[in-house]
Amino acid sequence: GQNIDQPTEMTATEGAIVQINCTYQTSGFNGLFWYQQHAGEAPTFLSYNVLDGLEEKGRFSSFLSRSKGYSYLLLKELQMKDSASYLCAVIRGTDKLIFGTGTRLQVFP
Amino acid sequence: DTEVTQTPKHLVMGMTNKKSLKCEQHMGHRAMYWYKQKAKKPPELMFVYSYEKLSINESVPSRFSPECPNSSLLNLHLHALQPEDSALYLCASSQVLQDTQYFGPGTRLTVL
Repeated sequence: GQNIDQPTEMTATEGAIVQINCTYQTSGFNGLFWYQQHAGEAPTFLSYNVLDGLEEKGRFSSFLSRSKGYSYLLLKELQMKDSASYLCAVIRGTDKLIFGTGTRLQVFP
Repeated sequence: DTEVTQTPKHLVMGMTNKKSLKCEQHMGHRAMYWYKQKAKKPPELMFVYSYEKLSINESVPSRFSPECPNSSLLNLHLHALQPEDSALYLCASSQVLQDTQYFGPGTRLTVL
């Protein structure tokens, strides 16, 4: 199977912290990516997790638990420009990147 | 430099037309990909090339025909498309398969 689920929409306030969850059931798991996509633009790479634990990169952190089939993206000190869709994607086998449903985040002042 | 370029940015075509989408990268990546993305949906994988050889065809209709002339270029030839093929077509590349993929800006295709 290759179900990858995320909340459809989230809202948050400028300066706050938001956590976007992703659960997956895909077989042949070989790593998980988070991408950001602004409306009408290409996805841009944010983070990659292949081992369990937390990866921190500036205001963004990503966590993975392979045993639970679970990841989250944590965004701190939210800015208006963070309003975008956030896509969780799983590498299945060696060559297939399967995207989750995507979460549309709106940041309000 | 993590730039993938795509041309054209926008394309409008009739159902009887033949057109091509082009993708280029100069990062020395040996894997390249085509995705289709409909509005408010995630990208869906269409084709994967690895070392200029077709690695995956995700049961894409034959009216879409990919071509990889060399390690820097990836084309998608379009013929006899349907209105439901209207979408954003994204190209991506990675160092090798399973590595981080970098996306181009996409071609927004409208089929009339």
